[in-house]
Amino acid sequence: ELKVEQNPLFLSMQEGKNYTIYCNYSTTSDRLYWYRQDPGKSLESLFVLLSNGAVKQEGRLMASLDTKARLSTLHITAAVHDLSATYFCAGHPADRGSTLGRLYFGRGTQLTVWP
Amino acid sequence: DGGITQSPKYLFRKEGQNVTLSCEQNLNHDAMYWYRQDPGQGLRLIYYSQIVNDFQKGDIAEGYSVSREKKESFPLTVTSAQKNPTAFYLCASSKLGRFYTFGSGTRLTVV
Repeated sequence: ELKVEQNPLFLSMQEGKNYTIYCNYSTTSDRLYWYRQDPGKSLESLFVLLSNGAVKQEGRLMASLDTKARLSTLHITAAVHDLSATYFCAGHPADRGSTLGRLYFGRGTQLTVWP
Repeated sequence: DGGITQSPKYLFRKEGQNVTLSCEQNLNHDAMYWYRQDPGQGLRLIYYSQIVNDFQKGDIAEGYSVSREKKESFPLTVTSAQKNPTAFYLCASSKLGRFYTFGSGTRLTVV
């Protein structure tokens, strides 16, 4: 079983500020996902990180993966109100065996960006 | 365009009633999954299936049942044995345990 821990769970930040969301996982994972969810909506895929040292950026969001530390980060640069949402990280064990590729999710980080 | 369709968007269940949530995909994905989401919680896996006529329990299968008679369809039944079914339910599919796609979700409320 892969345990995924995110922190912080709640993040309130002012527009224009930077911040990082952390995602720790317990066993070897061969890929790490970041999703965004708006209230009452489905999950929107943001990033898929496949290998150690992987870094991906899209707009004000940048995700990275350190497989040795079992840590992924989602960095927010110069936050704007439109980034307000809940962000989830998820992974699945490298040895997927009988788990059929199921994802293990963190509890999510609820981000609120205020003026 | 390919995708996953969940229906209905909103569902109300009376005490003691069974209800079925629909999930259909036309992505030719092999694996399908049902997740439950409660406020402030991550997604918890209910059931998953890789091939037709085969499925496995996830972490919170009690009070739920599924079937996989067709590759495209993976309906979830919430039975009367599920004592606290009010939640947001998400269906997902994947190809080879990758390329995940999520449906738009069904919000189930007990009345």
